[in-house]
Amino acid sequence: DIAMTQSPLSLPVTPGEPASISCNSSQSLLHRNGYNYLDWYLQKPGQSPQLLISLGSNRASGVPDRFTGSGSGTDFTLRINRVEAEDVGIYYCMQALQIPVTFGPGTKVDFK
Amino acid sequence: QLQLQESGPRLVKPSETLSLTCTVSDASISSSTTSYWGWVRQPPGQRLEWIANIYYNGNTYYNPSLKSRVTISVDTSKNQFSLRLNSVTASDTAVYYCARARGLYGLDVWGQGITVTVSS
Repeated sequence: DIAMTQSPLSLPVTPGEPASISCNSSQSLLHRNGYNYLDWYLQKPGQSPQLLISLGSNRASGVPDRFTGSGSGTDFTLRINRVEAEDVGIYYCMQALQIPVTFGPGTKVDFK
Repeated sequence: QLQLQESGPRLVKPSETLSLTCTVSDASISSSTTSYWGWVRQPPGQRLEWIANIYYNGNTYYNPSLKSRVTISVDTSKNQFSLRLNSVTASDTAVYYCARARGLYGLDVWGQGITVTVSS
């Protein structure tokens, strides 16, 4: 199985400031088609997860442009350029290159 | 707007079968040729765990760790897809989510989740 790790696991943030989460995979997620099979999800308190970024850097429909996904191979980053109140929750990365699909442990983002 | 809704028993006894159904609204499973349909669960205090996906034509994809106990199926006439998990134990206690995916990736629509407890 492809193991997914994230850092930090807890991220206190200040509204209006940038934030960044790292995700690493035990194997490259780069497919020969040129896509990295890495998604980012946000699970807000009491809600289901929601898709933020698919295939490494493709923002999902309706996701604000303050969210950016980058990286390739085994190292990926989710950046929020100005954190807003609605961004608190747990962020998960997920690899979909290989069965079984696997998730990272999650990064809890809340305000300082 | 596409919506998913999980349904099924919230309490299952050990060794019995967990059966859940996901009803798809405002989209047709049989017409959604770019969509896959799947199940993800989240045990208390743990990370999300992918269970299985199915395509409208019946092609299935399973987590090997659960494959011997899991069946995913689709009923296009009812616009539903289902999950069966046999021989459950307390470790199967979790919130179960159904979701629409773009393959194995891009789970872009999720149900609200259903909490299932395995206990006698």
